[in-house]
Amino acid sequence: AQSVTQLDSQVPVFEEAPVELRCNYSSSVSVYLFWYVQYPNQGLQLLLKYLSGSTLVKGINGFEAEFNKSQTSFHLRKPSVHISDTAEYFCAVGSGSARQLTFGSGTQLTVLP
Amino acid sequence: NAGVTQTPKFQVLKTGQSMTLQCAQDMNHEYMSWYRQDPGMGLRLIHYSVGAGITDQGEVPNGYNVSRSTTEDFPLRLLSAAPSQTSVYFCASSSSPGDSGNTIYFGEGSWLTVV
Repeated sequence: AQSVTQLDSQVPVFEEAPVELRCNYSSSVSVYLFWYVQYPNQGLQLLLKYLSGSTLVKGINGFEAEFNKSQTSFHLRKPSVHISDTAEYFCAVGSGSARQLTFGSGTQLTVLP
Repeated sequence: NAGVTQTPKFQVLKTGQSMTLQCAQDMNHEYMSWYRQDPGMGLRLIHYSVGAGITDQGEVPNGYNVSRSTTEDFPLRLLSAAPSQTSVYFCASSSSPGDSGNTIYFGEGSWLTVV
């Protein structure tokens, strides 16, 4: 079985400050990892994903995430956030055998002026 | 450039009523799924389909039925609505299994309230 833990349900941060959204996963097999973003009243869209290779993954809108196998983490970072980054962010894991992704409970990022 | 289209966007039901949430995709994807999103619980898989005529249960299937008669459509049926089914529902599709690494495309959601 696989599971995802997003350690922070709410993250407020001031505009132009850096941010890190934390994600830890558990799985007994090799995994694929994803970050999705959900803007208010919209569906989810893919920010970035890790399949294999380099552990530092760059995504859209200046976000990046680092896969750390020993710590089973896949934290999302952005060096300078904008008001428009206010949204809910979901970490998800897939193992290639579960047929579907398992999502974390989400982190609401609020960027303050 | 439609992608995944869900209807209706908003619906209020009385307890015991039935309804169908419609989902259609125009990307010729084999894999489709329905999720529900509740505060603090992320997205939970209700049912999924790996192709026309093939469906399977996800994490929270009770109270919901699905069918997949065509590649494009994957409706979700609530046979007798209960207040516990008040939620936001998302339909999604992908060209291969959802955890294969390919991108999953989501609809914009259907807000359902059962009173």
